[in-house]
Amino acid sequence: AQTVTQSQPEMSVQEAETVTLSCTYDTSESDYYLFWYKQPPSRQMILVIRQEAYKQQNATENRFSVNFQKAAKSFSLKISDSQLGDAAMYFCAYRRVGDMRFGAGTRLTVKP
Amino acid sequence: SQTIHQWPATLVQPVGSPLSLECTVEGTSNPNLYWYRQAAGRGLQLLFYSVGIGQISSEVPQNLSASRPQDRQFILSSKKLLLSDSGFYLCAWSLQGNNEKLFFGSGTQLSVL
Repeated sequence: AQTVTQSQPEMSVQEAETVTLSCTYDTSESDYYLFWYKQPPSRQMILVIRQEAYKQQNATENRFSVNFQKAAKSFSLKISDSQLGDAAMYFCAYRRVGDMRFGAGTRLTVKP
Repeated sequence: SQTIHQWPATLVQPVGSPLSLECTVEGTSNPNLYWYRQAAGRGLQLLFYSVGIGQISSEVPQNLSASRPQDRQFILSSKKLLLSDSGFYLCAWSLQGNNEKLFFGSGTQLSVL
């Protein structure tokens, strides 16, 4: 079974600084997709970024980028120029045919 | 545009009572449908997913069940709730295909007392 591990239960960053959230996954598949979702206090799940496993180029969405290391099965999220609105739970997710599996999450605090 | 509706937002039920949570999707056809549960401050646990009417895959059998009576309707049920069933339940949908993102409903906070 595929598992997703987020080893950092909590992280903190100063406003305008950069923070990296870690994620590793376990799979024997070669074709899959990886996602980062954000859950603010409203608890609405919001997609942050998506990465296709067959692409070597790391995905980027404005201030959010990933470092995808397929051989190491690592998928970290970098948030640049952190803003107060970035404070949330962040979930890494692995998707293959049918379902999507989530990690336990990292709670990000942004300090003004 | 597509929308997902999930209700109720909050539910308080006694132990041993039945449960029915409903989720409907508008603006698309033949979506994949999902039920997740999130314990307080924890990650999302996949409970059920469905790739078509009458097709349900169960990840956590326990005392919960799911049904898909119509293409865009997904129902989570229990005959007798347990204390451990308390949590935040999220319904989600996606287009067919393993590269598609999930769109989530606003969730139901269930408290079993």
